[in-house]
Amino acid sequence: AQSVTQLGSHVSVSEGALVLLRCNYSSSVPPYLFWYVQYPNQGLQLLLKYTSAATLVKGINGFEAEFKKSETSFHLTKPSAHMSDAAEYFCAVSDLRSGYSTLTFGKGTMLLVSP
Amino acid sequence: DAGVIQSPRHEVTEMGQEVTLRCKPISGHDYLFWYRQTMMRGLELLIYFNNNVPIDDSGMPEDRFSAKMPNASFSTLKIQPSEPRDSAVYFCASNSGPNQPQHFGDGTRLSIL
Repeated sequence: AQSVTQLGSHVSVSEGALVLLRCNYSSSVPPYLFWYVQYPNQGLQLLLKYTSAATLVKGINGFEAEFKKSETSFHLTKPSAHMSDAAEYFCAVSDLRSGYSTLTFGKGTMLLVSP
Repeated sequence: DAGVIQSPRHEVTEMGQEVTLRCKPISGHDYLFWYRQTMMRGLELLIYFNNNVPIDDSGMPEDRFSAKMPNASFSTLKIQPSEPRDSAVYFCASNSGPNQPQHFGDGTRLSIL
């Protein structure tokens, strides 16, 4: 069964600092991977998607993620944090058991940005 | 383009009452998903539909929960009777097929007193 592990339920950074949110997956076949962001009182919004076309994926708001098969990782980064980046971030993988129709989500990482 | 639309945004009701949550998916999307989000359990998939047909309802917690999709542009999630432990944020999402990103509505915040 596929699973997603997000290390750290909370990550704190200063404004302007590097953002690194970790995601590891388990999958027996090449996966489709996603990062979503959730702002307070809103639904999840797609940040970026990995589809095997390129290992480095650029998303919205300056975020990017790198797929590393050897490490089964898909970490999310942003060179310089902004106050508006404070939100909860979810990593997800398409679930083989449903024929890739559903997503398995990680438990989320809350990003806190201080001035 | 209109996104996924959910109503109501907030619902407060007393234990034992029937609750109906509504969702309008993005036009042209063949898949519709219902999720529940709580602090304790995170994001849980309750049920999903393909072309208006329920495919997997194994995530529905109890027989008190039911979901329907009478047509391609409308779905409901019903709880009858409601209990305080049903309090959560319920999300609807839709997409155009396997491996495609899911688009989420803004959710319904449900409080059962």
